[in-house]
Amino acid sequence: GENVEQHPSTLSVQEGDSAVIKCTYSDSASNYFPWYKQELGKGPQLIIDIRSNVGEKKDQRIAVTLNKTAKHFSLHITETQPEDSAVYFCAASPLFSNSGYALNFGKGTSLLVTP
Amino acid sequence: IAGITQAPTSQILAAGRRMTLRCTQDMRHNAMYWYRQDLGLGLRLIHYSNTAGTTGKGEVPDGYSVSRANTDDFPLTLASAVPSQTSVYFCASTPRQGDTEAFFGQGTRLTVV
Repeated sequence: GENVEQHPSTLSVQEGDSAVIKCTYSDSASNYFPWYKQELGKGPQLIIDIRSNVGEKKDQRIAVTLNKTAKHFSLHITETQPEDSAVYFCAASPLFSNSGYALNFGKGTSLLVTP
Repeated sequence: IAGITQAPTSQILAAGRRMTLRCTQDMRHNAMYWYRQDLGLGLRLIHYSNTAGTTGKGEVPDGYSVSRANTDDFPLTLASAVPSQTSVYFCASTPRQGDTEAFFGQGTRLTVV
């Protein structure tokens, strides 16, 4: 099955700096790569996603890049703010799967943005 | 407000007891999922359902069962709870299988003692 690796597990940045979180995946059939943000005591929420026919996608201060050849994708947050502090999860979903297309998640990155 | 609702929010359960975690969505999503979240292990899939009347096993199904009698409800049952089932449980749904946004409930924090 799909195996998603996520690094780093923790990340601390100064407010205004950029943060980058990287993920790799194993199944070349994966074609959907979302990123979720989880705030304390809440369920994960989608912040951005990318499909395999696109190399990069931006939404204001966040962007995701995808390298299908190398099987890795990254989340970039620019001009970080304290409210960006949360746990971020990457995920990958294959086109065909015996597990009903459920998302395979990385283990998460705890991001702390200090003022 | 449309969304996905889990109950209870938290529970302390004696080992060996039976417990059902409830999950209801009002978005008419076809697919539903149960994940458990443990520190350092991320989100692991327990069971899933692609559509009403069908269910399947995920990565960590042992000790859990599910049913999907209708589109809206997807309960998760622990037949005889053990301490290793102490975790935060999240229910999620997607409009269809494949590349779509997953919507998560707020989670159920379960402690088995």
